[in-house]
Amino acid sequence: QKEVEQDPGPLSVPEGAIVSLNCTYSNSAFQYFMWYRQYSRKGPELLMYTYSSGNKEDGRFTAQVDKSSKYISLFIRDSQPSDSATYLCAMSANFGNEKLTFGTGTRLTIIP
Amino acid sequence: DTAVSQTPKYLVTQMGNDKSIKCEQNLGHDTMYWYKQDSKKFLKIMFSYNNKELIINETVPNRFSPKSPDKAHLNLHINSLELGDSAVYFCASSQTRGPGSGANVLTFGAGSRLTVL
Repeated sequence: QKEVEQDPGPLSVPEGAIVSLNCTYSNSAFQYFMWYRQYSRKGPELLMYTYSSGNKEDGRFTAQVDKSSKYISLFIRDSQPSDSATYLCAMSANFGNEKLTFGTGTRLTIIP
Repeated sequence: DTAVSQTPKYLVTQMGNDKSIKCEQNLGHDTMYWYKQDSKKFLKIMFSYNNKELIINETVPNRFSPKSPDKAHLNLHINSLELGDSAVYFCASSQTRGPGSGANVLTFGAGSRLTVL
C-alpha cells in the first residue's frame, strides 16, 4: 500500500462547478500538507500549504486536513478552464528537512 | 528570471548511451533534488543534496550519478540508458528548515523529458 493514495481521475466538470480533490495517507507522522498544481508540460507549483488539522482558504481554493481520518481535501469554487491541470497532494513529517511524499496526482479538466 | 532552470528540456537517445541533465537555481536555497515522474504522473524522489552533501538516495540504480559542484547546481548523469529510464526528470530546490520550523516547500524546474529508444 502506498503511503499516500490519490484518485488519479481523470475528473471532468463544467465551468463554475465546485471541485473536490482528496488524498488519504497512512503515516501518522505527517504534519505538513501541500497541494501542488501541474500544468501540462510544466513543473509542479505550490498552490496551498497547511500545517496539522484544519482549514485554509485562499481565494477560490480551500484546503482541509482531517488528521484523525488521515484525509485531506482541496476544494475549488467557481472552477475556471484555467484550473485544468493535474493536482498533486504532498505531505511530510516534522523532523526538519524531511522529504515530501507525493500522491499520484488527479488530472482535472474544467469544461467551458 | 527562471528560479530553477534545467537543461535540456527534451532528450531523445538510444539504449546504452550516457546522458546528463543540468540544473541551476538562483533562489539561494541550500537543498536541491532530483525527482522522476513516470507516465502516470507519479513523482518519486531520487536524490537530494544539502550544501553539496548527499542527503537522500532513494534506491536508485547506480547508473544514476548526481553531482553537486556547489549549492546552486545539481547535475544528473545517467549511464547505459535503459527503456525504463524514459520519464520526465524534475529538479527542485528548497531552503532547509529546522525541526518544527515548517515543511520543505519545493520549487520545481520545468522538467527534462527523456525518451530512450
